[in-house]
Amino acid sequence: GIQVEQSPPDLILQEGANSTLRCNFSDSVNNLQWFHQNPWGQLINLFYIPSGTKQNGRLSATTVATERYSLLYISSSQTTDSGVYFCAVERWAGNTPLVFGKGTRLSVIA
Amino acid sequence: AAGVIQSPRHLIKEKRETATLKCYPIPRHDTVYWYQQGPGQDPQFLISFYEKMQSDKGSIPDRFSAQQFSDYHSELNMSSLELGDSALYFCASSLLLRPRLTGKDEKLFFGSGTQLSVL
Repeated sequence: GIQVEQSPPDLILQEGANSTLRCNFSDSVNNLQWFHQNPWGQLINLFYIPSGTKQNGRLSATTVATERYSLLYISSSQTTDSGVYFCAVERWAGNTPLVFGKGTRLSVIA
Repeated sequence: AAGVIQSPRHLIKEKRETATLKCYPIPRHDTVYWYQQGPGQDPQFLISFYEKMQSDKGSIPDRFSAQQFSDYHSELNMSSLELGDSALYFCASSLLLRPRLTGKDEKLFFGSGTQLSVL
């Protein structure tokens, strides 16, 4: 099956700092989504971004489908950004469910 | 806006007991997914339904079964529970078919999950 690798696995930031999270995938995809799992376990959908660039407030994401990677940018980080960020993809061929990466655990300290 | 509703929020069971988890998808969403997330792990796909028919199956044990009803709610039934079944169980829904034809956004929306503890 498709492989999804996220880096870094762990990240500690001072409040106000910027960060870039990366997601590499092993096959062509027709669906890529970024999720934030907060410390209470809730999974929040951040972006649906199979290609191109999107921005939502302090967050933005870019997917370069031809090179099989996606980046999530967090600017001016806040303590509420802490949690685990997951990238999830669906292969191009077939109606298959999303496959998640192992996630990046982000801790933002005041 | 309405979200995916899961119940119960927490569930404690003994080994070999059975458990039933319920999921109410976002209205008008045609696809429901069940995921299992162990401690410190990423969510693992169990099973999905499109328009009340099973559409895909992942790493779901034979002891587990699921169905989607006429009102689109779904239930995950787990029997002969084992300690290793302790996990956070998520239900998610999306609007699958039409966005694939029109290129619209097809985000997957998750419920708050059911934390199952098997003692």
